[in-house]
Order: sequence, then C-alpha cells, then structure tokens
Amino acid sequence: KQEVTQIPAALSVPEGENLVLNCSFTDSAIYNLQWFRQDPGKGLTSLLLIQSSQREQTSGRLNASLDKSSGRSTLYIAASQPGDSATYLCAVNSGGYQKVTFGIGTKLQVIP
Amino acid sequence: AAGVIQSPRHLIKEKRETATLKCYPIPRHDTVYWYQQGPGQDPQFLISFYEKMQSDKGSIPDRFSAQQFSDYHSELNMSSLELGDSALYFCASSSLLAGAGEQYFGPGTRLTVT
Repeated sequence: KQEVTQIPAALSVPEGENLVLNCSFTDSAIYNLQWFRQDPGKGLTSLLLIQSSQREQTSGRLNASLDKSSGRSTLYIAASQPGDSATYLCAVNSGGYQKVTFGIGTKLQVIP
Repeated sequence: AAGVIQSPRHLIKEKRETATLKCYPIPRHDTVYWYQQGPGQDPQFLISFYEKMQSDKGSIPDRFSAQQFSDYHSELNMSSLELGDSALYFCASSSLLAGAGEQYFGPGTRLTVT
C-alpha cells in the first residue's frame, strides 16, 4: 500500500525566500507524481506533473524533482510571494488508471 | 480548455437524508475518480470508473454508490447521511491516451450534513 509523507507540515517564511517542500513515498513503482496547491476551502490546482521517467519539471518559479529510487520528490519555490501562501499537496499515482495517494500537505505562509 | 465540472458546488442536507453529486469529466477522458476530503485531511480515494465500469474501490461506505453513464458523466449517491459525511468531494478525470494519466480535478462539492 502506497503511503505518502510530506515534511514539514507547516512552514512560515519571509517574502523573497527560496524554499523547498519535501514529499516521500514508500513504493517506488510509481506512474507519475503531481504537486497540487489548495487554498483554504477551495479545490485542487495542479502545479506540476512528473512522469516516472522524468527527473524534474519546471513551471515559472516552481521546480519539482523526482528521485524514484529513493522515493522522494521536492518542490522548489523561488522568490516566494505572499500569494504563494496555501497548502501544497503531493500525490502519487501508482498506475496509469489507478487512484492517486495524497500526502497530508505542507501549509505554507509567506509573510510580507 | 474545458475542465472537470461538478455540481452542485455546495449542498446542505440533514442527517439520514440522501444526496447526489454529479461530475462531468473533461471531454474524451475515459476515467473518473471520486475523492473525499474531510476537514484538515488529505483527499481520500473513494471509487473510480473506466469506460463506465468500476475500476477501483477505496474507502467508500456501503451507504454510498456511484456509476458512470454512457456520456461518461458520473454520479455519487449518498444515502442515510451522517454528520461525518460532511466534507469536500472531488471528482477527477484522466485519459492515458490524451493526458498521460494526469488527473484533472474538479472544483469540488462541499457537502454539509446538519
């Protein structure tokens, strides 16, 4: 059974800092991994998808890496802004048509 | 681009009532997933359908049932509602052919049971 862990559970940083969010998973036989953003009480916004054959994906100030063998992914946010404040969820897909397993998320607060 | 549509967006029901949530996947997506996110929790997988057949089942209570119709939309039926069913219910869709298995999530239906 796939288990996904995210560290830290919460993070508070001053505006402008670069930061790293961590995600680890127990079963390295994954199909892909997605990072989502969720604002309080709102839906899930997909940020980045990394296929199992890829090492990283970039979108704007976001960079996600994947090390399948060690069961880890990181989300790097450059030059953080107050608008980045949200909960970031990591989700692992263990098969093409299978459910994704979510981590509990990292709640990020960027202080102006 | 079209996204996953869920209706209603908000629903308030009383205990022991019945609720039906609807999901309209992205066109040409063949798989629909349902997830439940309780307050302060991560989304938990309930059930999925591929080409109108149930493909996987998670922690879905026996009081809940779901199906996918010929037009690929899906409905989650919830009976004998309990206070603990209050949650955000997400639908997602995907296609291995069109989207490499990426799951696209709808905005969610917030169900409140009083």
